[in-house]
Amino acid sequence: QVQLVQSGAEVKKPGASVKVSCKASGYTFSSHGISWVRQAPGQGLEWMGWISDYNGNTDYAQKLQGRVTMTTDTSTNTAYMELRSLRSDDTAVYYCARNTRMGGFDFWGQGTLVTVSS
Amino acid sequence: EIVLTQSPGTLSLSPGERATLSCRASQSVSSSYLAWYQQKPGQAPRLLIYAASSRATGIPDRFSGSGSGTDFTLTISRLEPEDFAVYYCQQYGSSPPWTFGQGTKVEIK
Repeated sequence: QVQLVQSGAEVKKPGASVKVSCKASGYTFSSHGISWVRQAPGQGLEWMGWISDYNGNTDYAQKLQGRVTMTTDTSTNTAYMELRSLRSDDTAVYYCARNTRMGGFDFWGQGTLVTVSS
Repeated sequence: EIVLTQSPGTLSLSPGERATLSCRASQSVSSSYLAWYQQKPGQAPRLLIYAASSRATGIPDRFSGSGSGTDFTLTISRLEPEDFAVYYCQQYGSSPPWTFGQGTKVEIK
């Protein structure tokens, strides 16, 4: 069965970086793109960006340009999201999700809580 | 960037009632590339509907989606206890960014 398993919770200080992993299993990793979505406490869903399965290209939300990098390691079927220069308003649960050809995100990771606090 | 506005913010209904949720886009959503998700507290979102009206695998037929262009609707024909949750629409046009609406909470009246 398809599974996306994310790394554990992180606590970071303002200005630091965080790298969240998302290990995929149960499907051909190279056949689907991976998107990242975050959710601040008590708030809605925010699309952060994605990495294409087709050519490895990335697209990021404009507000995160320059601070976020998304990568994949096809040898371990793992996607990564690194966010730099962390601020308190980056505190959120970060999700990875599998893009589908039919549209939408059909499988999601369990979420990783990143807390930014001095 | 396409902005999605969901209404109402909160819907208070009883089990067995019909729920109608709206999602309006600031510009036309190409090829009806619109999805609906359900999210319960402490859980990841779950894909319900894609391409505006197609149910995802395993989704009960009491969930239906409709609409095109800038106006879309998610209907739950008869609310079951497990349907009380927050619902988000998302547009995923031919190129990013793929934005979400702010959500509609369906709560027990």
